[in-house]
Amino acid sequence: NAGVMQNPRHLVRRRGQEARLRCSPMKGHSHVYWYRQLPEEGLKFMVYLQKENIIDESGMPKERFSAEFPKEGPSILRIQQVVRGDSAAYFCASSPPPDNEQFFGPGTRLTVL
Amino acid sequence: RKEVEQDPGPFNVPEGATVAFNCTYSNSASQSFFWYRQDCRKEPKLLMSVYSSGNEDGRFTAQLNRASQYISLLIRDSKLSDSATYLCVVNTGRRALTFGSGTRLQVQP
Repeated sequence: NAGVMQNPRHLVRRRGQEARLRCSPMKGHSHVYWYRQLPEEGLKFMVYLQKENIIDESGMPKERFSAEFPKEGPSILRIQQVVRGDSAAYFCASSPPPDNEQFFGPGTRLTVL
Repeated sequence: RKEVEQDPGPFNVPEGATVAFNCTYSNSASQSFFWYRQDCRKEPKLLMSVYSSGNEDGRFTAQLNRASQYISLLIRDSKLSDSATYLCVVNTGRRALTFGSGTRLQVQP
């Protein structure tokens, strides 16, 4: 049973470009969470999704960031017009029915030049 | 004030030592509590859940004091492989996890 998969593992973008981060949850998990970890800081919640629904996006920046979890395929975190401050590790987690343990993927490290 | 506060450390201890980490949380409605471990530049992994009655898993003991809003982790007989950052994590019932910034532990030979 493969764990949570994220790709790419490393992503380099120039200011103003778009970044797309993908997350495939564990088999049988229908709940996906995205977290961001800035250098030397803890993980910060961004968004919680179920298939085709955004349940809680209270941690998402108001502009440039969006997330989806379509019926088929991975969850996507999209950052438009990236800025240097977006450089961070972005972790995805998945869980089966809510209130169970969240399993984390290896993360995508975004570097904005 | 941060929702979950931890001493960042680092804690430098010799092999075999006992070391304790503390954490406080601000939301009295918090429902579940965890310690995660994060190795350098890797994903966090669940170390153990924390219950009011206290719980133990091998060399690791976790305690929760709801009245003081305080969580602790005790590691006995430290191993070199215990070197990592230990994250105090709280769930307020919104399903999103709230992480502390972590406490760094370095176990030295």
